[in-house]
Amino acid sequence: NAGVTQTPKFQVLKTGQSMTLQCAQDMNHEYMSWYRQDPGMGLRLIHYSVGAGITDQGEVPNGYNVSRSTTEDFPLRLLSAAPSQTSVYFCASRNPEGETQYFGPGTRLLVL
Amino acid sequence: AQSVAQPEDQVNVAEGNPLTVKCTYSVSGNPYLFWYVQYPNRGLQFLLKYITGDNLVKGSYGFEAEFNKSQTSFHLKKPSALVSDSALYFCAVRDIGRDDKIIFGKGTRLHILP
Repeated sequence: NAGVTQTPKFQVLKTGQSMTLQCAQDMNHEYMSWYRQDPGMGLRLIHYSVGAGITDQGEVPNGYNVSRSTTEDFPLRLLSAAPSQTSVYFCASRNPEGETQYFGPGTRLLVL
Repeated sequence: AQSVAQPEDQVNVAEGNPLTVKCTYSVSGNPYLFWYVQYPNRGLQFLLKYITGDNLVKGSYGFEAEFNKSQTSFHLKKPSALVSDSALYFCAVRDIGRDDKIIFGKGTRLHILP
């Protein structure tokens, strides 16, 4: 199993550009989440999904969209990037009854 | 809403000494509590969890944590620190009684001094 994979590993955007951060898992987990990590702020939950077709907002959802059309994939979309979205983004997955979250390796995003 | 507090941004401990990294939480229902560790330029790795039962839980790399319901705390401990324990540690809580989100604390950077 590859576990949780994220692409790209690193991305530079200009203000106003759009992009999609990809996340995929091969463990058949129903729950998937996106977090951003910023110095001094820890990990903050952006959006999460409890199954295909179901998504909900986390702590800091503004500026981000998500969809969950399949169990395996949970892409995070930035429609109009802003410098405040410069961060490291982590995707995670787990089963409803499972307590342990599995994290991807992260995507480092720089918005100029 | 659920929340997690890690009151120390950084903890310094001499190698061989015991270490404690503090965590307190707030939830409306019964908490599931977790500790994760992040090494430089890496993702998060699971260390240990408290679900129910014995208040002292043991995890990876010799770490343990003590759940204290009255103080709403879940401090991470290790009897004898190693230099290789130097990393960023995150406490997290899952509120079973509500929307089942997992919320993380801000993290505590642990420095083990040789």
